[in-house]
Order: sequence, then C-alpha cells, then structure tokens
Amino acid sequence: DQQVKQNSPSLSVQEGRISILNCDYTNSMFDYFLWYKKYPAEGPTFLISISSIKDKNEDGRFTVFLNKSAKHLSLHIVPSQPGDSAVYFCAASAFGNQFYFGTGTSLTVIP
Amino acid sequence: ETGVTQTPRHLVMGMTNKKSLKCEQHLGHNAMYWYKQSAKKPLELMFVYNFKEQTENNSVPSRFSPECPNSSHLFLHLHTLQPEDSALYLCASSQENEKLFFGSGTQLSVL
Repeated sequence: DQQVKQNSPSLSVQEGRISILNCDYTNSMFDYFLWYKKYPAEGPTFLISISSIKDKNEDGRFTVFLNKSAKHLSLHIVPSQPGDSAVYFCAASAFGNQFYFGTGTSLTVIP
Repeated sequence: ETGVTQTPRHLVMGMTNKKSLKCEQHLGHNAMYWYKQSAKKPLELMFVYNFKEQTENNSVPSRFSPECPNSSHLFLHLHTLQPEDSALYLCASSQENEKLFFGSGTQLSVL
C-alpha cells in the first residue's frame, strides 16, 4: 500500500518555463515532507522541505506548496533550466519516523 | 563529495556468492539506513541503525544481513541472493530524524 504517490512518471518543460511536479499522500499523520533530486548514477540529493505547520516554502527557484486538506504537495521550479533535468522524488514522514517515498517523476527541460 | 560514500558502485554476483556492500558517512550523523530502489518502485527502507543499534528491520529476508560496527560505518552482507534482488542499494545517514543524506548507491545484478 503506497502512502506517497507521484502519478506522473515523466514531465517535459521548455527552458525558462515553470515545472510543476506533484505528489499525493494518504496518511494524514504525515507532518514533514521532502523533495529529492536524482541524477543518473548518483544518489538522491536533498532539495527542499516543508513541515505541516506551513503551506509554502521557498528556496531560490524552488517552491514547495502543501495542501493538507487535499493531502497534496507540489514542487515548482521557476525558471526551469536544462540542468534541472533529473528524477524528482517526494518523501513524507510522521513524528520523526521513517520516510515514505514516491516512485519519482522524471523531468526533462528542453533547451 | 556527498559525505556518504558507498562501495562498490557496481556489483555482479551469482546466486551462490557472498558479498558485502560498504557505506561510510563523514557527516557525524547518528543514524544510518539501507534502502532498496527497484525499477518503477518507491525507495524501500530495509534497515535503520540509531547510535549503532538496529531499530528497524522492514521484513527483509535473512539473505540480507546488516552490520553497523560504529556510527560511521554500515555494511550489508549478501548471501544466496535471488535474481529479483537485483536493484540499486542506497545507504543514507541523518542526524536524529532529519533529512536523509544518500550515497551514490551500489547497482547490484544477481545472475
């Protein structure tokens, strides 16, 4: 039973435009959410996080939005750059327990 | 330099072999993890060690045997694996239950 879902396996965006990656979860007890980025042949690297007391967190070109009532979070990348092409994973945890990961969305930014 | 180093990067083994994966973290974290990533599946947590003590074993078959001699080193001993065990094995570390820092992974193929 997958508690964190990324329903779009892939996404293509033109350079300079906005990339929106989505993530849904089922466990209403989740209180901490992370986004990771993964290049081929490398491990996932941390990108941005948000706790359930906030609905938005911003770091440069990256913004994560959390909609607790919909159990949905999204990652916005503006403007998208070719170097952003990677697989993006969302992850969630409850009360500091283990993280549950989605299956990832492969983003391609077209120059 | 990610702070978490895994060796080997690639491993091919037969079903009767015994091999070990090694992980070392240089971040001073107190928790270390083994994750398995199979194609089109979310990252699966296998084992967690906090202060060298195993705190989670997510119903992992006994052909996988973890070892944590100190808070900086983690091993995964493999024996009599099956072809379906072929996957990317990722080591991670964290401080308390904060965000995870991953190594580059070991791509394992079982023939």
